[in-house]
Amino acid sequence: ELKVEQNPLFLSMQEGKNYTIYCNYSTTSDRLYWYRQDPGKSLESLFVLLSNGAVKQEGRLMASLDTKARLSTLHITAAVHDLSATYFCAVEEAPRAGTSGSRLTFGEGTQLTVNP
Amino acid sequence: DTEVTQTPKHLVMGMTNKKSLKCEQHMGHRAMYWYKQKAKKPPELMFVYSYEKLSINESVPSRFSPECPNSSLLNLHLHALQPEDSALYLCASSQPRGLAVYNEQFFGPGTRLTVL
Repeated sequence: ELKVEQNPLFLSMQEGKNYTIYCNYSTTSDRLYWYRQDPGKSLESLFVLLSNGAVKQEGRLMASLDTKARLSTLHITAAVHDLSATYFCAVEEAPRAGTSGSRLTFGEGTQLTVNP
Repeated sequence: DTEVTQTPKHLVMGMTNKKSLKCEQHMGHRAMYWYKQKAKKPPELMFVYSYEKLSINESVPSRFSPECPNSSLLNLHLHALQPEDSALYLCASSQPRGLAVYNEQFFGPGTRLTVL
């Protein structure tokens, strides 16, 4: 059974600081996704990471994937209040025999609060 | 149109009621998903439809009955629910694995369900 662990689960940081969220997973996968969720809202796709060594950047967020270590990171640079949200990583399993839909297993989420 | 829509936004129902949740996408995706999300928890996969056929059922109780009338629509029929079924129900869509390089799932805004 695929297990996805995120840490930290809660992160309170000051504006202007840098920090990294970690996502470890237990079985081989070559596809990992990062999502953002604001309170009471749906999930917004941030990054799709498809191969070992993939690095994607959007604004103050940068995501990377190391499939050998089964580790993805989401790095926040010079945080601003607008980044406050819950961030989920999700790992896609290869389809099981007889199925073609993609099965995502989500980490527990990291609740990020950026304080002025 | 790059949106997944869901109706209703909120639903309150008694344990003896029958109701339905609806989801629609116009992105040409051929896979659609239902997730359940409890407060402060990650989404949990319930069902996957791929090419309008049920591909994955994550051992969901029979009081939840999915239906995919066509490639754009996904319904979730509810009957004899329990208070513990109260949650945010999210619909998502993507291309099936093998049809596109990216199988990124796009989520709708969700239906907040309360069972009394």
